[in-house]
Amino acid sequence: KAGVTQTPRYLIKTRGQQVTLSCSPISGHRSVSWYQQTPGQGLQFLFEYFSETQRNKGNFPGRFSGRQFSNSRSEMNVSTLELGDSALYLCASSLGTAQPQHFGDGTRLSIL
Amino acid sequence: TQLLEQSPQFLSIQEGENLTVYCNSSSVFSSLQWYRQEPGEGPVLLVTVVTGGEVKKLKRLTFQFGDARKDSSLHITAAQTGDTGLYLCAGAWRGGSQGNLIFGKGTKLSVKP
Repeated sequence: KAGVTQTPRYLIKTRGQQVTLSCSPISGHRSVSWYQQTPGQGLQFLFEYFSETQRNKGNFPGRFSGRQFSNSRSEMNVSTLELGDSALYLCASSLGTAQPQHFGDGTRLSIL
Repeated sequence: TQLLEQSPQFLSIQEGENLTVYCNSSSVFSSLQWYRQEPGEGPVLLVTVVTGGEVKKLKRLTFQFGDARKDSSLHITAAQTGDTGLYLCAGAWRGGSQGNLIFGKGTKLSVKP
């Protein structure tokens, strides 16, 4: 069974640019959640999508947005990038809310 | 804001030693999950505990959920270098701005040969 796939694995951007990250969940999983991981803050919840609808949203500015497609694949977009956005962005899929998460290996985003 | 505090933050031990890491909160969770994350990879689920007082064993790893479902511990017996990684606990609750799973900041374990 294929796991959660995130692309790209690494990304380097400059301040002010925007970026789109992609996540393909495990087949059959309809819930997709996104997290930002940094050494100082740990794993912070960004948002959760279930059947194309955003269910929950974390305390991040509106520059962070996401969407989910009918095949459950999800994308996350960050606009007007700031230095502080440098982090590992993790996507996780699950069968439902608060169920065990299956994580991808993340996208390492570096802002110069 | 719901908080899950993990301790210790860092732990460095020799192979063969025993260790315990803790996950504490003032909130009650419906379940608690433990994950291990290795460098360059995403977290991998180790176990889910649901019932207060529950104890689960996974080879040399023993997980316990507190009676009041506010805390949990992970005990590793005879640690091996392959146990090195970041151990994360996550409590499931009703949701909100932190989502339905609250993650602790983790315990970074280093097991030296």
